Amino acid sequence: AQTVTQSQPEMSVQEAETVTLSCTYDTSESNYYLFWYKQPPSRQMILVIRQEAYKQQNATENRFSVNFQKAAKSFSLKISDSQLGDTAMYFCAEGAQKLVFGQGTRLTINP
Amino acid sequence: EAGVAQSPRYKIIEKRQSVAFWCNPISGHATLYWYQQILGQGPKLLIQFQNNGVVDDSQLPKDRFSAERLKGVDSTLKIQPAKLEDSAVYLCASSSVLGGLETQYFGPGTRLLVL
Repeated sequence: AQTVTQSQPEMSVQEAETVTLSCTYDTSESNYYLFWYKQPPSRQMILVIRQEAYKQQNATENRFSVNFQKAAKSFSLKISDSQLGDTAMYFCAEGAQKLVFGQGTRLTINP
Repeated sequence: EAGVAQSPRYKIIEKRQSVAFWCNPISGHATLYWYQQILGQGPKLLIQFQNNGVVDDSQLPKDRFSAERLKGVDSTLKIQPAKLEDSAVYLCASSSVLGGLETQYFGPGTRLLVL
């Protein structure tokens, strides 16, 4: 069975700081994908970054990057130069089509 | 490109009543998903459609929930009769293959409160 665990229910950092959100997963699939989604208070789920499990190179999207450790089944998200607009719930998800989500991490960026 | 549309945005009903939600996916997206997101939790898949066929409905409580996707475009999710524990946000998503990777795009959701 697929499971995704986010061990940090809440995090808070100052604007411009770097923050890392943790995610671990478990799957029996050999070919799978990993995603980070952001859900601001408006509740629209927005894709932040994605990673194919067969790729060794970590994905990056501007200020967002991941640290993918396949053997450890770990997929953390690093946000550099954090901005007030980064305040949101962040969900880690795993799957090929059907996605399994973690419980989420509430991130607050303070001015 | 228009995103995934959902309506209504909010709905309040009493237990044992019926309710229906509507979703219009991004044009051209063959795969459509309905998720249930209970407050404080991540979304949980209820049903997945490929065109107008059901791919996965293993987590859909079929005694009270039903969903259809006629003509392979719009979809409706119905709850009949509703229970208190159905209070949640119902998210619709559609997906396409982008850069060789299937990616889901979510609608704004329908927030349901059952009293």
